[in-house]
Amino acid sequence: AQSVTQLDSQVPVFEEAPVELRCNYSSSVSVYLFWYVQYPNQGLQLLLKYLSGSTLVKGINGFEAEFNKSQTSFHLRKPSVHISDTAEYFCAVSYGGATNKLIFGTGTLLAVQP
Amino acid sequence: GAVVSQHPSRVICKSGTSVKIECRSLDFQATTMFWYRQFPKQSLMLMATSNEGSKATYEQGVEKDKFLINHASLTLSTLTVTSAHPEDSSFYICSAPRGLAYNEQFFGPGTRLTVL
Repeated sequence: AQSVTQLDSQVPVFEEAPVELRCNYSSSVSVYLFWYVQYPNQGLQLLLKYLSGSTLVKGINGFEAEFNKSQTSFHLRKPSVHISDTAEYFCAVSYGGATNKLIFGTGTLLAVQP
Repeated sequence: GAVVSQHPSRVICKSGTSVKIECRSLDFQATTMFWYRQFPKQSLMLMATSNEGSKATYEQGVEKDKFLINHASLTLSTLTVTSAHPEDSSFYICSAPRGLAYNEQFFGPGTRLTVL
């Protein structure tokens, strides 16, 4: 079955430190990958996406992610985090096709401490 | 950018009543919309795919008679939770795909349902 794994349920980090949030997905021929951020009691906001082309994708708020097909990973990184980055981050994958469903990982809470 | 709205943002109801949640695409047409459910501190679980002009497609384990979906127009889908019970309390989020090959989904702000 298609799945997305976010191994870290919570990542504590100090302000201005770098961070990496991990995401792995089950293999498929074609895949579209997304990272979303969710602030408390709000919907999801797209951070970045990989559809094709360059494997290094840059998104909003200084985030970037790298698509690694051989490792079936799409880890999210930021070189220097801010308090305002504290939120829940979801990795999601779409395997394309007419239904275009998104399968979400379990989420990672990024907790930035001063 | 594309905007998806939901109404209401928060609703409290008594057990046994029905609640309707609206999802609207404000600046684009959406022949397909998706409904998700999110429990506290958990991920989003796809409930169903709403199809304009035809029946919704429900995910395995989701009761279609419990969660009625109507996609009446190209900009509106509604989710009705019928005979709601406390276990139906959750955060309901809709999304609509847009863009090349509809690969990007735009999410509504969510509706917090509390059933007493």
